[in-house]
Amino acid sequence: SQQGEEDPQALSIQEGENATMNCSYKTSINNLQWYRQNSGRGLVHLILIRSNEREKHSGRLRVTLDTSKKSSSLLITASRAADTASYFCATGLQGGSEKLVFGKGTKLTVNP
Amino acid sequence: KAGVTQTPRYLIKTRGQQVTLSCSPISGHRSVSWYQQTPGQGLQFLFEYFSETQRNKGNFPGRFSGRQFSNSRSEMNVSTLELGDSALYLCASSLALGTYGYTFGSGTRLTVV
Repeated sequence: SQQGEEDPQALSIQEGENATMNCSYKTSINNLQWYRQNSGRGLVHLILIRSNEREKHSGRLRVTLDTSKKSSSLLITASRAADTASYFCATGLQGGSEKLVFGKGTKLTVNP
Repeated sequence: KAGVTQTPRYLIKTRGQQVTLSCSPISGHRSVSWYQQTPGQGLQFLFEYFSETQRNKGNFPGRFSGRQFSNSRSEMNVSTLELGDSALYLCASSLALGTYGYTFGSGTRLTVV
């Protein structure tokens, strides 16, 4: 079963706008990661935030983590057509395992 | 630096056959994991290997097996293929997952007919 649930399932915006995707999870985590996938290809790691961190930035990406609400958000600022992809959150669980539990993803379409 | 290499990229097999997929991790990465991606179930964890030892296994039947070699290359095998095994199989390697996350290969698209 999925640990993370992304919201919304699909998002369509215009180039230059910001895109916000949310992720909720169920159990305690070591870290939470966001990945991007272009059209049935491999996943690209975007950002990792540890359970003791609240916010992290990488270029146009901003991730927040609220462990009390078991939720995270990914903000992409000034979006580009090339950002069109599916975005997944994945939780690294406590207990020393390297296993990631993925949500079902948000399909983002950025219209030029 | 070379990425994670998965072979073959595409595969068509018949029900009842078996298949072996290969994954070469990034040089120096000792942790390799496999995931199955389908439209219905999304990304599901299959196995995790570190230094030739399976550390975790997902909730898949015994027809799914894997192994890791001393050079960290990994293979997964699916025996007695079923139509529902059609999926994108992704391999990922990590230097230290808790810090850096995974690097994924492009996947092997398996179609069972």
